[in-house]
Amino acid sequence: DGGITQSPKYLFRKEGQNVTLSCEQNLNHDAMYWYRQDPGQGLRLIYYSQIVNDFQKGDIAEGYSVSREKKESFPLTVTSAQKNPTAFYLCASSMGDLNTEAFFGQGTRLTVV
Amino acid sequence: AQSVTQPDIHITVSEGASLELRCNYSYGATPYLFWYVQSPGQGLQLLLKYFSGDTLVQGIKGFEAEFKRSQSSFNLRKPSVHWSDAAEYFCAVGSYNTDKLIFGTGTRLQVFP
Repeated sequence: DGGITQSPKYLFRKEGQNVTLSCEQNLNHDAMYWYRQDPGQGLRLIYYSQIVNDFQKGDIAEGYSVSREKKESFPLTVTSAQKNPTAFYLCASSMGDLNTEAFFGQGTRLTVV
Repeated sequence: AQSVTQPDIHITVSEGASLELRCNYSYGATPYLFWYVQSPGQGLQLLLKYFSGDTLVQGIKGFEAEFKRSQSSFNLRKPSVHWSDAAEYFCAVGSYNTDKLIFGTGTRLQVFP
């Protein structure tokens, strides 16, 4: 089945540690996105990538980093510089045009302990 | 700047009642508009989308939405709500200039039997 897979579903991190969230898609989509979701704030864009080896900052990129070495993969690293990392993180992919649907993964809930 | 407003944070309806969720957007040109639904702890699923043409758009699960340019609105409707419709609903607008999806803050729907 084609889809977009995020792992792990739940992640715990100690303060001061970096952590990487995985996002893989087998939909042959060009574009991939990372969103952060907090209660009452909707989805906020962290980073997005329209093509392999290229990515752009979204609205809240500080404290995060990404890579796009393969079309299928778009991992997100939450660094120790992110002051409030506890949140629900959603990865999405699309054909790249805005008139096409964005497909979402099931999300990763990150908790800093 | 483009923006999306969902004025209702939380709506409660009885099963079988009609539903309308409000969405207002701010955008200079004809926007790409979307409605997504999210079950607790899950990713987002596309309900429907509008790009051009007929202003009344039909989606999955019996939902429809109407684009009204004069009111900058794209409200979601369903004639008879089912208990399984309880979820969070997000309106989004495609940003033509920046290739980004901008989401509203969401409306949580609760359905009473």
